[in-house]
Amino acid sequence: GAGVSQSPRYKVAKRGQDVALRCDPISGHVSLFWYQQALGQGPEFLTYFQNEAQLDKSGLPSDRFFAERPEGSVSTLKIQRTQQEDSAVYLCASSLVRAQPNEKLFFGSGTQLSVL
Amino acid sequence: GENVEQHPSTLSVQEGDSAVIKCTYSDSASNYFPWYKQELGKRPQLIIDIRSNVGEKKDQRIAVTLNKTAKHFSLHITETQPEDSAVYFCVPGNNRLAFGKGNQVVVIP
Repeated sequence: GAGVSQSPRYKVAKRGQDVALRCDPISGHVSLFWYQQALGQGPEFLTYFQNEAQLDKSGLPSDRFFAERPEGSVSTLKIQRTQQEDSAVYLCASSLVRAQPNEKLFFGSGTQLSVL
Repeated sequence: GENVEQHPSTLSVQEGDSAVIKCTYSDSASNYFPWYKQELGKRPQLIIDIRSNVGEKKDQRIAVTLNKTAKHFSLHITETQPEDSAVYFCVPGNNRLAFGKGNQVVVIP
């Protein structure tokens, strides 16, 4: 595709509800990243995939957060039993480079999650 | 792990003036130095990057300079315009994935 696509653009959830956020990376991009960005803060790293392998999930804040990329393209970030502190913009990024994955990240527009 | 600091945290400049923001890092093995720009309500975008074998790179009104000895690299914006108002993030290092808090640049018309 032309760019990284994320859906939905906005999501309102009731506390305790499960949500699933989708990311379509640029076609052929090997690396995929999820970030969480709270209002007025920089993006916080959550997890990173190289193809279908989840190589780093050190940033996931709790076991309520789960990410997958089963076929090495589309990725889903799932948050179970959402809490108010989960309210943030969730950004997905992809990159072509395999050897040094943090090079030239292309970001999606993000999903703004509001937990009421 | 890599220790990164950005200065100043907020910079206000008059339109047309130059802006310089600096990023210091601790890992001497770092060889890749990008700057990302995030306008309010928009996604971060890579605006310029440099490798350790190059001291300076320019792209129109923006430039990045690298001082490996002092372990810092800077973003220079000349002839600033209102659309340069944004938060700028440096993400130095070979495998660094953290963005930090960034530098807020405000261009005053």
